[in-house]
Amino acid sequence: DAKTTQPPSMDCAEGRAANLPCNHSTISGNEYVYWYRQIHSQGPQYIIHGLKNNETNEMASLIITEDRKSSTLILPHATLRDTAVYYCIVRVSYTGTASKLTFGTGTRLQVTL
Amino acid sequence: EPEVTQTPSHQVTQMGQEVILRCVPISNHLYFYWYRQILGQKVEFLVSFYNNEISEKSEIFDDQFSVERPDGSNFTLKIRSTKLEDSAMYFCASSGFLGQGVNEKLFFGSGTQLSVL
Repeated sequence: DAKTTQPPSMDCAEGRAANLPCNHSTISGNEYVYWYRQIHSQGPQYIIHGLKNNETNEMASLIITEDRKSSTLILPHATLRDTAVYYCIVRVSYTGTASKLTFGTGTRLQVTL
Repeated sequence: EPEVTQTPSHQVTQMGQEVILRCVPISNHLYFYWYRQILGQKVEFLVSFYNNEISEKSEIFDDQFSVERPDGSNFTLKIRSTKLEDSAMYFCASSGFLGQGVNEKLFFGSGTQLSVL
């Protein structure tokens, strides 16, 4: 699986958009970009994933550059409850077999008043 | 939304004792996982399980560890003889419905904090 690089920490004011970058310059053509987050030692929580098109769901938007070497997770209106560690994970999406996620150190997002 | 349930939330044990951590995955999910997180460190993969057998395991998952799906609803992690360094938060996860095709969205439980004294 391709390696990812994320800033160790970021701050964001409540109500503003939080833009979390991820660099994955060695990504392969069949590898997806996944985002999970972990709120204060709870179990990780799935946010969103994508292959090459931008994706949006009720939690966030995922913007993947055209060359797929980097991506940005956007929380459009951050709240205090979005304070968490955000993990960008790149891997092939497997079918018919259980496959692991490899978590890095992620970005610690602190949302402030 | 359905959720993965783990019991107990906290487990204290003496070094050398056996522990069993229990998980109830989401109903009809096909793929099951155990992860752990030592305080202040990364979330680490331990083992994945599908079709009643281990799909993959990490170097951490040595002979002291075993997993079992004893019935249609539970998924357990057993540590035969606990060591101090086994102290960690253990997370169970599940994913994938029959016919779904891909299994990328993992649902994690809230974890069992294991303390080995």
